[in-house]
Amino acid sequence: GAGVSQSPSNKVTEKGKDVELRCDPISGHTALYWYRQSLGQGLEFLIYFQGNSAPDKSGLPSDRFSAERTGGSVSTLTIQRTQQEDSAVYLCASSRIRARLGTEAFFGQGTRLTVV
Amino acid sequence: DQQVKQNSPSLSVQEGRISILNCDYTNSMFDYFLWYKKYPAEGPTFLISISSIKDKNEDGRFTVFLNKSAKHLSLHIVPSQPGDSAVYFCAASADQFYFGTGTSLTVIP
Repeated sequence: GAGVSQSPSNKVTEKGKDVELRCDPISGHTALYWYRQSLGQGLEFLIYFQGNSAPDKSGLPSDRFSAERTGGSVSTLTIQRTQQEDSAVYLCASSRIRARLGTEAFFGQGTRLTVV
Repeated sequence: DQQVKQNSPSLSVQEGRISILNCDYTNSMFDYFLWYKKYPAEGPTFLISISSIKDKNEDGRFTVFLNKSAKHLSLHIVPSQPGDSAVYFCAASADQFYFGTGTSLTVIP
């Protein structure tokens, strides 16, 4: 597709359930990032994939969060045993080359997660 | 710790006037800086960037200034238009992108 695509757009889940959020990056982009934005907050880094390198998971807030990127393309962010504090907009972005080389990231429209 | 900071949560400007959004950073290793614009219910969209080897980059109504010694950058929008009303994030890139907390700009017609 022309841009970064995320699904679903909105997700309401019960506390304690697992959720999966999907991201389709721009074709050919080697780097993929997950961020989240809680109400009234900035963009919080979660995880970063670059090519075939091991992902940078340093931003994941707990071991309930995990992500994978299959075939260097689609990524799935999984949140297990969701808590109310997980409610946020989860944003995926991709960039053609790694961030350090000076490039911009392109964002999807986000998935709004609400844990009730 | 917040490595990129936007200390003004909001800014209101009259249409036609200049909007100045400010950003400070702490890590002297950052060498590429970006501004993003975000409308409600949408993802951030890239606006303009600047490399650390420059002190100014201009694109139409948007100009970004970088002061490396002060670890400060700013985005100037002139003239401001009502459609510019959005949240603006500054970012710095290293292995990943570090974002500020955003400044909500309102341009009053």
